[in-house]
Amino acid sequence: SQKIEQNSEALNIQEGKTATLTCNYTNYSPAYLQWYRQDPGRGPVFLLLIRENEKEKRKERLKVTFDTTLKQSLFHITASQPADSATYLCALDRVLTGGGNKLTFGTGTQLKVEL
Amino acid sequence: SQTIHQWPATLVQPVGSPLSLECTVEGTSNPNLYWYRQAAGRGLQLLFYSVGIGQISSEVPQNLSASRPQDRQFILSSKKLLLSDSGFYLCAWSVRGHSNYEQYFGPGTRLTVT
Repeated sequence: SQKIEQNSEALNIQEGKTATLTCNYTNYSPAYLQWYRQDPGRGPVFLLLIRENEKEKRKERLKVTFDTTLKQSLFHITASQPADSATYLCALDRVLTGGGNKLTFGTGTQLKVEL
Repeated sequence: SQTIHQWPATLVQPVGSPLSLECTVEGTSNPNLYWYRQAAGRGLQLLFYSVGIGQISSEVPQNLSASRPQDRQFILSSKKLLLSDSGFYLCAWSVRGHSNYEQYFGPGTRLTVT
């Protein structure tokens, strides 16, 4: 079955540094991979989607890479701020019969940006 | 703009009692709808999805059921709750007809079964 691994340990970094989160997966070849942010007690919020034929995707201070050979995605936040503190979820995308897509989520990595 | 509502926000129910959680979406038509559960320390698990009124697909066997009586309404139910049903329940929607678009999540319902 599909398996997604994200660092279960929290990542603590200093404000202004670049945070790098890792998502590894096995037993699957997704056409798309998505990243979400989740704050405590809230629903996840979509951040970025990257396709299998894209090596890199950027949005403001965010950057995602997708290496289908290594079966790995890296999520970077540059010039990190305390407001970036949250749990970041990686999700593999699979098309469902009849339309729609199924997202298989990792357990997420908690990021804490300290002053 | 589109919005998604879930209620109640929190719920404490005894074992064996029934459950009904409701989700509604505004500002879009014919959305794909999803129910997820997030147990403490675990990832989001897809429970049900729907691509149209009356069309429900189940991802995991359990004592839960889902219904879609209207285009933008999605209901999660149980006849008898188990302790293991405790968790954070999230409803989500995505654009119909697209297979690679993001999902938009509601605020969630925190269910505690005692």
